[in-house]
Amino acid sequence: DTGVSQNPRHKITKRGQNVTFRCDPISEHNRLYWYRQTLGQGPEFLTYFQNEAQLEKSRLLSDRFSAERPKGSFSTLEIQRTEQGDSAMYLCASSLTVPQDGGYTFGSGTRLTVV
Amino acid sequence: AQSVTQPDIHITVSEGASLELRCNYSYGATPYLFWYVQSPGQGLQLLLKYFSGDTLVQGIKGFEAEFKRSQSSFNLRKPSVHWSDAAEYFCAVGSDSNYQLIWGAGTKLIIKP
Repeated sequence: DTGVSQNPRHKITKRGQNVTFRCDPISEHNRLYWYRQTLGQGPEFLTYFQNEAQLEKSRLLSDRFSAERPKGSFSTLEIQRTEQGDSAMYLCASSLTVPQDGGYTFGSGTRLTVV
Repeated sequence: AQSVTQPDIHITVSEGASLELRCNYSYGATPYLFWYVQSPGQGLQLLLKYFSGDTLVQGIKGFEAEFKRSQSSFNLRKPSVHWSDAAEYFCAVGSDSNYQLIWGAGTKLIIKP
């Protein structure tokens, strides 16, 4: 297994456009998390899946944000009508149900720039 | 409120010198503690983690951390830093009842030649 994979690595978009990011977790991991990280800050939790079920969403995840994990494998994060404040690194992580077994593995992130 | 504090925004250390990065947390449950490292424009790499047991934890790249419950701290140490250690270091806390990690703001490590 090559770890957690995120695509694209970088995305530049115009304000108002929609963007979609993809995350492929470690295959045996049934939990998948999305975080957002702005410059000079630690990551902030956005949402989390247990298999295909989205179990929690942060208040940071406005109505313009939606995440899916349709078959309990890869996940997508879509941002509609992007705003300049959405510019950030979007990080995906995965873990087993019991995170003691290996902890949380992060992908390399998708850097979004909204111009 | 749950929080993680990394009091040093940046630290400058000479190559070969020892390093200690501080992390303090405020957390209601028994914490799981993590240190991650992030190079510019990259994702987060796990250095080490503490769930239970021995409070001195060994990690990758020669790093170790000590959990001190009485001080609510989980400081990261390395006896001799290398130029390749220059990066940003993040402390995070979670628990078995909280799937999301709470993160510190990070400490940027600068290595002087």
